[in-house]
Amino acid sequence: DAGVTQSPTHLIKTRGQQVTLRCSPKSGHDTVSWYQQALGQGPQFIFQYYEEEERQRGNFPDRFSGHQFPNYSSELNVNALLLGDSALYLCASSRWDSNYGYTFGSGTRLTVV
Amino acid sequence: AQSVTQPDIHITVSEGASLELRCNYSYGATPYLFWYVQSPGQGLQLLLKYFSGDTLVQGIKGFEAEFKRSQSSFNLRKPSVHWSDAAEYFCAVGGGSYIPTFGRGTSLIVHP
Repeated sequence: DAGVTQSPTHLIKTRGQQVTLRCSPKSGHDTVSWYQQALGQGPQFIFQYYEEEERQRGNFPDRFSGHQFPNYSSELNVNALLLGDSALYLCASSRWDSNYGYTFGSGTRLTVV
Repeated sequence: AQSVTQPDIHITVSEGASLELRCNYSYGATPYLFWYVQSPGQGLQLLLKYFSGDTLVQGIKGFEAEFKRSQSSFNLRKPSVHWSDAAEYFCAVGGGSYIPTFGRGTSLIVHP
């Protein structure tokens, strides 16, 4: 049973560019949440998708956007990259109707230079 | 707004010694509480969770945590630490939306 799969694992981008990160949820999960984890910090909630709609959003600017596809996979897009966007981006999947907690992927390490 | 405080940035213990990692939370109602572990370069793995009922919660890898409402705490414990327990530990609090808010983490260092 595959867990949460994220791609790519590492990425280097230049300031001002745009980036797309991808996530495939665990089998049986229908909800995807994205977190940003800066070095030495805990994960910060970006947004959550269910039924292809953004359901909740954390305190992140509109440069951060997302999408969920009919197969429950998800993308995180970041426009106009800033140096401060360098972080580990974690995808977590869950079931909308369950409170059993998240299953996290291994993350995408984004470096903005 | 919900929040979590993990007052210890680093904890160093000797292998075989007992461990307690502190977590204090702020939440206006009955919280959902979680402990996650993160090894270098990896995602987060759920160790245990508290939703209701018995305030002493057993988790994986021999960990347990105790919910103390009066102290707004949810400390993680292990009676005997193994070298493989060295990692970053995150406490998180959630509410009805189940979306957890994480603390900044405690780095556990295990000496042989």
